[in-house]
Amino acid sequence: GIQVEQSPPDLILQEGANSTLRCNFSDSVNNLQWFHQNPWGQLINLFYIPSGTKQNGRLSATTVATERYSLLYISSSQTTDSGVYFCAVRTSGTYKYIFGTGTRLKVLA
Amino acid sequence: DVKVTQSSRYLVKRTGEKVFLECVQDMDHENMFWYRQDPGLGLRLIYFSYDVKMKEKGDIPEGYSVSREKKERFSLILESASTNQTSMYLCASRDGFDSPLHFGNGTRLTVT
Repeated sequence: GIQVEQSPPDLILQEGANSTLRCNFSDSVNNLQWFHQNPWGQLINLFYIPSGTKQNGRLSATTVATERYSLLYISSSQTTDSGVYFCAVRTSGTYKYIFGTGTRLKVLA
Repeated sequence: DVKVTQSSRYLVKRTGEKVFLECVQDMDHENMFWYRQDPGLGLRLIYFSYDVKMKEKGDIPEGYSVSREKKERFSLILESASTNQTSMYLCASRDGFDSPLHFGNGTRLTVT
């Protein structure tokens, strides 16, 4: 089955710094989403981005489907950005999403 | 905005009890999911429902059953709770195959 790898596994930033999180996947995908899991455990939908680039405030994401990766950019990070970031993909012919192992981000004040 | 509501944030049950976890979505979504999340194991799919009364087993259905009598509600049932079912349970819904997943707040279940 498809493999989904995220890097880095852990990241510590000072408030105000920028960062790039990466999601690599081993096969063609129909759907790709980025989620933020906050310290209370809720998974918040950041981007639905099977291809192309999207922006939402300080966050943006790019998926290059032909090269099988997606990037999540966080600019001017804030302490509320702390948590775990997951990418999840779905391939054709299946209803399932496969989740990556996540990037744990800690933003220090 | 899509709202997916799980009935409890925290739940403590005893071994052997029958446990019901409820999930309700307000957007008339076709598909609903139950996941569990454990440290080091990530999110694992328990059950999927693609329509009312329709369901498919996910990757770890053993010890669980589900019910979807109405489109907006998807229930996860632990027939006889065991300590290895202590976990974070997450419900999600989506409108169709090419639509984003939306998650509820999660239920932290402890079985003692």
